[in-house]
Amino acid sequence: QSALTQPRSVSGSPGQSVTISCTGTSSDLGHYNSVSWYQQHPGKAPKLIIYAITERPSGVPDRFSGSKSGSAASLTISGLQADDEADYYCCAFAGIFTRVFGTGTKVTVL
Amino acid sequence: EVQLVESGGGLIHPGGSLRLSCSASGFNVSSKFMSWVRQAPGKGLEWVSVIHISGDRFYADAVKGRFTISRDNSVNTLYLQMSSLRVEDTALYYCARAYTQNYDDFDIWGPGTMVTVSS
Repeated sequence: QSALTQPRSVSGSPGQSVTISCTGTSSDLGHYNSVSWYQQHPGKAPKLIIYAITERPSGVPDRFSGSKSGSAASLTISGLQADDEADYYCCAFAGIFTRVFGTGTKVTVL
Repeated sequence: EVQLVESGGGLIHPGGSLRLSCSASGFNVSSKFMSWVRQAPGKGLEWVSVIHISGDRFYADAVKGRFTISRDNSVNTLYLQMSSLRVEDTALYYCARAYTQNYDDFDIWGPGTMVTVSS
């Protein structure tokens, strides 16, 4: 159950787009067709922003989008805003009954 | 209002035991997949355990054999019994409700309860 691999940090200017990758193996992301994404501001609990690869919960703006191909998934934030500055985590199946989070990515708005 | 509130954290010596509680309101814990997720200070999220609607329980390798997840439907509360605690179990422990049966999609989180394992 090794953590999924994410870049340590990404950055962008307001209005730009950034993409965060989440890389696994043929045993986790490559085998199961589901991934979710979370946003976590400092000192706060995580917030679900993408589930089932591409779906957004009610209230999450469509600036957030997800995709998956093979053993890798991606989260794209379009029209970057100051409040998007946070840590982001992917989460996927590690096996049929267990789950695993990514290593986390810090998004900085320049 | 749908919410989760954890309690039971504290300072414990290595090898000790502790039971965390997660009180739910606005929904029944028995009707959802419920998990515990932890976050060591300054580190990332780590999935710990799940209890299925059926009552089946599953654990991360790091805690298997030491932690036990359970629920009490009469008081609508989720528990995590932790034993043989190690320094590396030090973390903020969240309980979380899964949005779907995939339970990689936690839509409701508690504020967390801090567990510190130290001599």
